[in-house]
Amino acid sequence: DAGVIQSPRHEVTEMGQEVTLRCKPISGHNSLFWYRQTMMRGLELLIYFNNNVPIDDSGMPEDRFSAKMPNASFSTLKIQPSEPRDSAVYFCASSPSGLVGIGDEQFFGPGTRLTVL
Amino acid sequence: AQKITQTQPGMFVQEKEAVTLDCTYDTSDPSYGLFWYKQPSSGEMIFLIYQGSYDQQNATEGRYSLNFQKARKSANLVISASQLGDSAMYFCAMREGKRNTPLVFGKGTRLSVIA
Repeated sequence: DAGVIQSPRHEVTEMGQEVTLRCKPISGHNSLFWYRQTMMRGLELLIYFNNNVPIDDSGMPEDRFSAKMPNASFSTLKIQPSEPRDSAVYFCASSPSGLVGIGDEQFFGPGTRLTVL
Repeated sequence: AQKITQTQPGMFVQEKEAVTLDCTYDTSDPSYGLFWYKQPSSGEMIFLIYQGSYDQQNATEGRYSLNFQKARKSANLVISASQLGDSAMYFCAMREGKRNTPLVFGKGTRLSVIA
């Protein structure tokens, strides 16, 4: 089992550039979550999908952020244009259960450390 | 309103001793789950233990146990026989409802194990 795969692991970009973060969930998992971790705000949910459908994107900071899940094995988080305050670690997590299973843990990817200069 | 509260920003424990990391939560949903994750300096999030709101017994996983006090809305993590490798950030998290909803995390506690 390869676990949740995220790429890139590190990204350094300049303000104003477009950034795309990628995630491959564990095969068979039908829920996918994007979280952001900063020192100030801790771990916060950005958006999550069930069966490839976005369920709640209220955590997305602003219109510069967008996320897609075109199929069960791939999701992207895009920031355009990026700003220095977007610097953070972005985690993708997946979970096996769509309807029941409140105890199902979320499996986290290794994260993408984004630095916007 | 903050749903998960971890009041200890940092904790120290002597190697081989037990340590308790505090977590209180707030929810009006009778069905919820409580989780603890470990984040070492390498950055990955590692699942440790889970407690369901209807579980009658406290959860245990090896050296980890969860002291679940439902009436007090607390879900403290107990680590027995601490090891140097236990030094990390520890996050308490909650999921409400039956469907697969996101986790809400506390701010975390940084545990340092001293030799």
